[in-house]
Amino acid sequence: AQKITQTQPGMFVQEKEAVTLDCTYDTSDPSYGLFWYKQPSSGEMIFLIYQGSYDQQNATEGRYSLNFQKARKSANLVISASQLGDSAMYFCAMREGPGTDKLIFGTGTRLQVFP
Amino acid sequence: NAGVTQTPKFRILKIGQSMTLQCAQDMNHNYMYWYRQDPGMGLKLIYYSVGAGITDKGEVPNGYNVSRSTTEDFPLRLELAAPSQTSVYFCASTGRGGRETQYFGPGTRLLVL
Repeated sequence: AQKITQTQPGMFVQEKEAVTLDCTYDTSDPSYGLFWYKQPSSGEMIFLIYQGSYDQQNATEGRYSLNFQKARKSANLVISASQLGDSAMYFCAMREGPGTDKLIFGTGTRLQVFP
Repeated sequence: NAGVTQTPKFRILKIGQSMTLQCAQDMNHNYMYWYRQDPGMGLKLIYYSVGAGITDKGEVPNGYNVSRSTTEDFPLRLELAAPSQTSVYFCASTGRGGRETQYFGPGTRLLVL
């Protein structure tokens, strides 16, 4: 069965430092997609970054990058130069098999950025 | 574009009452989804639809029903509300496949007492 695991319930990082949020996944499907979402205290789900299973390079979007290690089935989110506004819940999600685009979510990591 | 809209934003129900959570999108997306998020947890899929007239169960469908009569609308019906249905409900939509993300509505917070 497909599964997403986020083992860090909470993380702290100082402003301007980099932080890595862990995500491992399990699937037998050779074609899949991995997403990261940010959920601030206001509750909305904000898309951050996407990595396809066949992508040759790690995805990057501004200060966000994805450390994709396919053999280890990990897709860690790296946030560089953390800002106070980065304090939020972060969810890793995997798109299930073809045809439905359903997402499976991890339990999330709460990131707190301190001055 | 308004994107994905949900109404109401917040609702309190008594045990046994019923209600419909409304969801609409104006992006002409075929794929739509309903998730619930319990406190401190990730999102779990309740129902989804790949087009008008087509719906299917997700991971946690019990106690809910959906319909999809148009591309734009995907209402979620709660019958006989129970305290276990206290949650935040998110509707989402996406174009077909590929690199496109799901676009989420702002959520409906439901409290069943």
